[in-house]
Amino acid sequence: RKEVEQDPGPFNVPEGATVAFNCTYSNSASQSFFWYRQDCRKEPKLLMSVYSSGNEDGRFTAQLNRASQYISLLIRDSKLSDSATYLCVVTKAAGNKLTFGGGTRVLVKP
Amino acid sequence: EAGVAQSPRYKIIEKRQSVAFWCNPISGHATLYWYQQILGQGPKLLIQFQNNGVVDDSQLPKDRFSAERLKGVDSTLKIQPAKLEDSAVYLCASSPVGGAGTQYFGPGTRLTVL
Repeated sequence: RKEVEQDPGPFNVPEGATVAFNCTYSNSASQSFFWYRQDCRKEPKLLMSVYSSGNEDGRFTAQLNRASQYISLLIRDSKLSDSATYLCVVTKAAGNKLTFGGGTRVLVKP
Repeated sequence: EAGVAQSPRYKIIEKRQSVAFWCNPISGHATLYWYQQILGQGPKLLIQFQNNGVVDDSQLPKDRFSAERLKGVDSTLKIQPAKLEDSAVYLCASSPVGGAGTQYFGPGTRLTVL
């Protein structure tokens, strides 16, 4: 089983709609969680951290479910510019090594 | 603020040849990472440096890959000899001390091994 698993998609989303997807992690001792965004042929960039109580950043909402070992990302009012691959990132209990999921591809269409 | 610099941006070599990549992190960032990203997959950590010391190289294929970070600033990653399966984008990232979750990535080097 992979340490961090994501549905690769693609999620085809009409512009203005809401899309949500999850990421599961296998190490129950994982401490920190993040979502990174990667545009086609570009480098990953930090989108947002994921806090235990859940957090919002504009149209983006991230949540953590430690009991079921997954994090989620919800995008409201999708824009064409939201088309990208969203990478789930988890830190191990020891040290600060990041483990990336394979990414979920989102395509927002007019 | 200047970002993470990498060169070259693209490299095409034949199998069994050698190749080297260079990275200059953001000024003041003590931690430097090299990742391998195969098409359709997430980045996989190859090696992590804290200043000029290695923190984690557990996933570095040491029989063919080597990396160094002399003087704790820029870094080079070398592959010798290259295999077909080494075709990937090699990403360098850096982070400040205590900020491992916030990594800043360079544009990457796209390696094609023929």
